[in-house]
This record gives sequence, structure tokens and C-alpha cells, in this order.
Amino acid sequence: GAVVSQHPSWVICKSGTSVKIECRSLDFQATTMFWYRQFPKQSLMLMATSNEGSKATYEQGVEKDKFLINHASLTLSTLTVTSAHPEDSSFYICSALSGAPDTQYFGPGTRLTVL
Amino acid sequence: AQSVAQPEDQVNVAEGNPLTVKCTYSVSGNPYLFWYVQYPNRGLQFLLKYITGDNLVKGSYGFEAEFNKSQTSFHLKKPSALVSDSALYFCAVQARAGKSTFGDGTTLTVKP
Repeated sequence: GAVVSQHPSWVICKSGTSVKIECRSLDFQATTMFWYRQFPKQSLMLMATSNEGSKATYEQGVEKDKFLINHASLTLSTLTVTSAHPEDSSFYICSALSGAPDTQYFGPGTRLTVL
Repeated sequence: AQSVAQPEDQVNVAEGNPLTVKCTYSVSGNPYLFWYVQYPNRGLQFLLKYITGDNLVKGSYGFEAEFNKSQTSFHLKKPSALVSDSALYFCAVQARAGKSTFGDGTTLTVKP
């Protein structure tokens, strides 16, 4: 089946630093990937849609200058949290579209803790 | 706009009993409906999907879901629950472009 990986699985950083999270589709090519944020015991909140070769589309209320997304290839999308603050601490999950009709396959998530 | 409702935050069943996790949706046009399961500190795992065809969809780990257009529902079911089925379950409706809207999730607890 389609496998999506995320790296790192968890990260702890100091306030003001930037953190990059990678999302890779391991056995398929994905022109579209999604980035979600999930708070404890809550649903997934879509942050942005990442399209290979073009700018990401951000959801309303998501700061594009704070959450930089780069879809460099058909198998890799990155999310960079710039100048991270404690309120950015969360579980970040990516997904990649595969198949026709498209099915989302999710990465295992990245736990970000900003001190 | 599309939306999904999971009316139960928590479902408790005894091992061996049938389980149902409820989901209703609202979408214009024909829906693409999905069920996912999430274990603690993990991403979502795909269980099953309805695109078209037979209203009863069979998925992974013995789960199935029934699409009911008149009731705009897509309830997840399993004939005999296992303790290992205990997890957080999400129903989602997906637009043709792949963008999904998720329900708030239902925590399923299966007791021995």
C-alpha cells in the first residue's frame, strides 16, 4: 500500500528558532500533499495544500509567512515553522494523494514542542 | 461547503459485541466518504471509502460502513469488536480535488 513518512517524529526546540518537517511519499508520486495540525483530543485542522511546482494554498487564518511550505518534488513536501513560539506546539500531520479517485494517505505525524 | 458530524464523542462496547460509530455528512453533489483510525501519537490510517456503487463498503480489519443517501449517513460497523479496535475514529468527506473535511472524532473503547 501507499506509505507516507514524516521526519522527525518529534522535535523540541527553543522559542524563536525554526523547525523543518519533511513529508515523503515512499512508493508513489504525489502532486498534492496536505498539512494538518491536530490539538490533543481534537480533529485535524487543514493548514495548507501543497502542490508540486507551485505555491501552497493556505487555509484562512493560517499565516503563510510563519508556516512555509515547499513541495520540491513529487515525493517530498516540507513544512517549516519559522520563529516558533510555545503556541505552535502541536501534532503536525501530512498526507499525500494517491489513486483515482484520490485517497489520502497519512504520515505518522510530528510532535513539535516549543519551549 | 461540506461538513461532517460525529454525534458521539465516546462509544463503549464489550469485546465480541457489534459496534457502530455514527457519521452524518452534508455536501453538494455526490460525496466521497472515508473512515480513518488513529492510535495515540500516530497519523491516521485509512480504513475504507465510499465513492460509488454498493452502499455497503468493506474495509480493513473487518470494518464495514453503510452509505445511506436518504439519511446522509455513513456509519462504521464491525460485527465483533476486539480490544485492539480501541482507538480514535474519524469520518471524512472529500471534495474531488482531494481536500477533506473531518468530523471531530469518536473514541472507541472496547472492554474485555
